[in-house]
Amino acid sequence: NAGVTQTPKFQVLKTGQSMTLQCAQDMNHEYMSWYRQDPGMGLRLIHYSVGAGITDQGEVPNGYNVSRSTTEDFPLRLLSAAPSQTSVYFCASRGLYYGYTFGSGTRLTVV
Amino acid sequence: ILNVEQSPQSLHVQEGDSTNFTCSFPSSNFYALHWYRWETAKSPEALFVMTLNGDEKKKGRISATLNTKEGYSYLYIKGSQPEDSATYLCAFLANAGGTSYGKLTFGQGTILTVHP
Repeated sequence: NAGVTQTPKFQVLKTGQSMTLQCAQDMNHEYMSWYRQDPGMGLRLIHYSVGAGITDQGEVPNGYNVSRSTTEDFPLRLLSAAPSQTSVYFCASRGLYYGYTFGSGTRLTVV
Repeated sequence: ILNVEQSPQSLHVQEGDSTNFTCSFPSSNFYALHWYRWETAKSPEALFVMTLNGDEKKKGRISATLNTKEGYSYLYIKGSQPEDSATYLCAFLANAGGTSYGKLTFGQGTILTVHP
């Protein structure tokens, strides 16, 4: 019973590079989201999905893309990394009437 | 952007004290209010999901109440212990149709430190 699996745990990128943060859940949850955590800013919603094939933007979507081709997977793509995207990223999933189960987080540094 | 506010920002209490903190959220289009506990170097963990006005939930020494008409929820911790030290987050879910059921907006949290 893995829950929400996020990879990688740590990543250093150079400005302008692209990468994909992976997120997979094995609980058959409909709802999945990506948040970023910055000091003093709490958890801010980047993108979210309400089911396979359906995604929408959160508060801070610029510079990120998502897709949800299956119920299980919800990858987050950084298109052209910028220092402002240095953050801790959390993927989370839930059923409609339940709280989120969070992944263990990805600490990303853009230099 | 939905306004979800928590107060106080931080709180220091002594072991054995009871404490409470507040989450304020929009009183219109309410669907659910979540509470999470977030320990340092870990991921947030769900405590409660509250959906009905007047709801009261309890888990051990932690309880929460909900007032959807005035847009606030209280989290109470009875007899605080050092292991209760964590950031407590609330999050609001609006009933606004479309994909809104997927959009959970977090407050900035209350940092609780319980001193032995």
